[in-house]
Amino acid sequence: AQSVTQLDSQVPVFEEAPVELRCNYSSSVSVYLFWYVQYPNQGLQLLLKYLSGSTLVKGINGFEAEFNKSQTSFHLRKPSVHISDTAEYFCAVRPKTSYDKVIFGPGTSLSVIP
Amino acid sequence: DAGVIQSPRHEVTEMGQEVTLRCKPISGHDYLFWYRQTMMRGLELLIYFNNNVPIDDSGMPEDRFSAKMPNASFSTLKIQPSEPRDSAVYFCASSPVRGGSYEQYFGPGTRLTVT
Repeated sequence: AQSVTQLDSQVPVFEEAPVELRCNYSSSVSVYLFWYVQYPNQGLQLLLKYLSGSTLVKGINGFEAEFNKSQTSFHLRKPSVHISDTAEYFCAVRPKTSYDKVIFGPGTSLSVIP
Repeated sequence: DAGVIQSPRHEVTEMGQEVTLRCKPISGHDYLFWYRQTMMRGLELLIYFNNNVPIDDSGMPEDRFSAKMPNASFSTLKIQPSEPRDSAVYFCASSPVRGGSYEQYFGPGTRLTVT
């Protein structure tokens, strides 16, 4: 079975400051990794994904994430946040051997302070 | 493509009434998922379909909940009778098998309030 932990439920950060949202996972099999973003009153949308290859992946809106297999982590980063980045961020994993099940983390609420 | 379409966007109903939520997945997607999101429990997978066939409904909270997918372009989630604790945002998502994208595409959600 798989599980996803997002260590911070809420992260306040000042505008133009850097931010890191942490994600750790547990799995007995290899997984694909995802970050989704949910803006207020909207559905989730994909920010970025790691399938294979380079462990540093870039996504939309200037976000990037680094896969660390030894630490089973997939932390999300942005060097300079904007007010519009205020949203809920979900880390998710999917076993490579099982198409259907995606396990979502509990989410991290990012609040950008002007 | 218009994306995943859900209706209604908001539903307010009284306890005991039947509620039907609707979803139109992205054309060509093989998988359809129903989720429920609340502050207390986060995002919960209720049921999912592959090629219109229900695969796993272990997340459906109780017999009051039922879901159908009569064809590849339409699914419903029904609650009968509804209770105040069913108040939540219900999301539908679809996903393709081909193309290697692997991610799920979410609809805008239906906010259900049961009074």
